[in-house]
Amino acid sequence: AQRVTQPEKLLSVFKGAPVELKCNYSYSGSPELFWYVQYSRQRLQLLLRHISRESIKGFTADLNKGETSFHLKKPFAQEEDSAMYYCALRDRGALNFGKGTSLLVTP
Amino acid sequence: DTAVSQTPKYLVTQMGNDKSIKCEQNLGHDTMYWYKQDSKKFLKIMFSYNNKELIINETVPNRFSPKSPDKAHLNLHINSLELGDSAVYFCASSRIGTEPTYGYTFGSGTRLTVV
Repeated sequence: AQRVTQPEKLLSVFKGAPVELKCNYSYSGSPELFWYVQYSRQRLQLLLRHISRESIKGFTADLNKGETSFHLKKPFAQEEDSAMYYCALRDRGALNFGKGTSLLVTP
Repeated sequence: DTAVSQTPKYLVTQMGNDKSIKCEQNLGHDTMYWYKQDSKKFLKIMFSYNNKELIINETVPNRFSPKSPDKAHLNLHINSLELGDSAVYFCASSRIGTEPTYGYTFGSGTRLTVV
């Protein structure tokens, strides 16, 4: 079964510290993976997709097929990064989301 | 504005009632979706429609019935509402089958509270 696992429900870091939000997946085929961010009570916004290999708001994510991972990283966390982060796998067009990791960046 | 718009934004209703949530997109996308975000913030696909045809129908009670009058609209009708239906419902749309395949846009959500 196609599955996305985000092992951390909550991650708390200090401002300026590095942050890594973990995501592992299981998929039979070539996965299409994404990171979405949801700020408090707002809509989901696309943060990254593995195809484009871009960096948004200082975040990067590398697809590691050997480890079936797509971890999200940022070298220096900012308070405005506090939000809910979802890793997602595209399957039959729809997005299969992980359970999300709540990131809290404290001053 | 080009967007995915949902109405209403908030919906409070009593158990047993029937309600509808509307969704419209003006992005020219050919596929629309409904997702449910529960109280634990878990997001799960409910339905997807491609050109008015049902593509995905996950394990959702048949009290939930999506209706797509055209490819720009996907409404969600819920019969006999239950307390457990309280959640935030997100509509989304995308374009598939072309490169770049991406163009996945979410609406701002409808917060449904059943009392």
